[in-house]
Amino acid sequence: EPEVTQTPSHQVTQMGQEVILRCVPISNHLYFYWYRQILGQKVEFLVSFYNNEISEKSEIFDDQFSVERPDGSNFTLKIRSTKLEDSAMYFCASSEGDRSETQYFGPGTRLLVL
Amino acid sequence: DQQVKQNSPSLSVQEGRISILNCDYTNSMFDYFLWYKKYPAEGPTFLISISSIKDKNEDGRFTVFLNKSAKHLSLHIVPSQPGDSAVYFCAARSNAGNMLTFGGGTRLMVKP
Repeated sequence: EPEVTQTPSHQVTQMGQEVILRCVPISNHLYFYWYRQILGQKVEFLVSFYNNEISEKSEIFDDQFSVERPDGSNFTLKIRSTKLEDSAMYFCASSEGDRSETQYFGPGTRLLVL
Repeated sequence: DQQVKQNSPSLSVQEGRISILNCDYTNSMFDYFLWYKKYPAEGPTFLISISSIKDKNEDGRFTVFLNKSAKHLSLHIVPSQPGDSAVYFCAARSNAGNMLTFGGGTRLMVKP
């Protein structure tokens, strides 16, 4: 069964460093998403991406975040200058279409900012 | 942000019995609801969904009920199995976009 994959599974970085989290969505899916879950808190939406542009973003997704689809398979989330509060589990998701389409999640990348 | 709320942080059920997980929402713009199951150190796994034009959707042992007037949905698992032990998240999407708003989750423990 097709699945969303994410790399790395864990990343430790120093505050102020840039990190890139990578995702390979399900191959025939057209909509891509990033969510995060800070330890002990709810899963929160960050951004959605369609047709090579951001279609929706939350207040969390400020100027330090960016997303890109550098080729036909990868979808990346870049955090330019990490802060301690960026430590969280980051989940990539994809869906085939937009309305009433289920979003399928990857296994997540655990980011720890020291 | 309390737009989607799961008031029971945990639930313990005997194997073979029914598990009922509840979810309440406040946003009238929500038109699509999903349940996800999550094991530690894994991503949410889709279980079942329901559109706001329906009041029930069934898939095997899983049934989701939607009461729009009460802004309440529930997930029924019958019969419950030990492998169902996980955290269950309710999520909702509004008719204005694609973002999912999640509840805080309910940890289900099914005892053999």
